[in-house]
Amino acid sequence: DAKTTQPNSMESNEEEPVHLPCNHSTISGTDYIHWYRQLPSQGPEYVIHGLTSNVNNRMASLAIAEDRKSSTLILHRATLRDAAVYYCILDPRGAGNNRKLIWGLGTSLAVNP
Amino acid sequence: NAGVTQTPKFRILKIGQSMTLQCTQDMNHNYMYWYRQDPGMGLKLIYYSVGAGITDKGEVPNGYNVSRSTTEDFPLRLELAAPSQTSVYFCASSFTGSGYTFGSGTRLTVV
Repeated sequence: DAKTTQPNSMESNEEEPVHLPCNHSTISGTDYIHWYRQLPSQGPEYVIHGLTSNVNNRMASLAIAEDRKSSTLILHRATLRDAAVYYCILDPRGAGNNRKLIWGLGTSLAVNP
Repeated sequence: NAGVTQTPKFRILKIGQSMTLQCTQDMNHNYMYWYRQDPGMGLKLIYYSVGAGITDKGEVPNGYNVSRSTTEDFPLRLELAAPSQTSVYFCASSFTGSGYTFGSGTRLTVV
């Protein structure tokens, strides 16, 4: 199964942009890149996903490298409520994969006031 | 919409007891999943289902069973509870092409 590599932790200041990196050098052509976040004592929350093109939604932006071996989740203005563990995950869409996501340890984001 | 609903939220079991963790979704999602999360760790897939009547094992299925008789419900059965099953359990659902929606979790302690 394809895996991802993320820094264990990152720190940001409130109202500043945050760039969370993810490496996925073994990604296959049919794997989607998903990002989730998990606040303390809560279930994971979907943030964004994409395949090849950069994606934007109300929560964040996803920048995908041209070779798809890395991606970056961008929070445009961090707030204290964005402090969470962020998971970058590959979603296999190829035949027979049944969308089994493999979860790593994620990046723990701290936001300073 | 309620999304994904898990019950109970907390449970303490004695070693050897059995229980069923309930999971219901009202989004008509075809995919459903059970994960466990141990302290400080990522999620591990226990079982998943691609539709009513179809289930398959994930990474850590031993000690668990599932069934999927309807699109909405995906209960997880623990037989002969062991301390190693102390964990937080998350149910999730998704539709083809969508992200996952997770429940709020069941915190299980086996003593």
